[in-house]
Amino acid sequence: DIVMTQTPLSLSVIPGQPASISCKSSQSLLNSDGKTYFYWYLQKPGQSPQLLIYEVSNRFSGVPDRFSGSGSGTDFTLKISRVEAEDVGVYYCMQSIQSRTFGQGTKLEIK
Amino acid sequence: EVQLLESGGGLVQPGGSLRLSCAVSAFIFDNYVMTWVRQAPGKGLEWVSTITGSGDKTYYPDSVKGRFTVSRDNSKNALYLQMDSLRVEDTAVYYCARDKWLVRAPDYWGQGTLVTVSS
Repeated sequence: DIVMTQTPLSLSVIPGQPASISCKSSQSLLNSDGKTYFYWYLQKPGQSPQLLIYEVSNRFSGVPDRFSGSGSGTDFTLKISRVEAEDVGVYYCMQSIQSRTFGQGTKLEIK
Repeated sequence: EVQLLESGGGLVQPGGSLRLSCAVSAFIFDNYVMTWVRQAPGKGLEWVSTITGSGDKTYYPDSVKGRFTVSRDNSKNALYLQMDSLRVEDTAVYYCARDKWLVRAPDYWGQGTLVTVSS
């Protein structure tokens, strides 16, 4: 099974400051079809998860451009250029090249 | 607006069964792969099952394989999860989700239904 490891598990950010979350997979997520099956989700308090980024770097519809995804192979990063209060919640990475597994989550709070 | 609404959760004893339903609207249901994801209280997300648009292929992790069965009725725009031989560790909120078109990941999620397995 592919293991997804996120760091840090929590972070506290001053509004307007940047934030970064890392996710490492135990195997490459690059498929023979050229796609990398890696995604980022945000679960706001009391809500269902919402898709932020798909296939490493593509923002889902309606996601603000302060969110960006990057990486390749086994190492991936989510960056928030300027954190806002509405960004609080738990961020999860997910892979789907081999079944589907999520990272353990990174809790973002406002300082 | 895409909507997914789960139902069927509740309290069940260990070893018992439960069937979850997910009613969807505002998209062409049989065009989409559908997925169930669960979240134990205070824990992270765990993938539970995926079914193709036609229903001809289903996928499960080892943790539920042989105990859970995903199915769909495209004529009713409905997704189901039959859960048998339930264990205490199956206690969770179960989310129904639609996979994004041509992407192996959910884009729209329901609000979830709570399943509690306890004696």
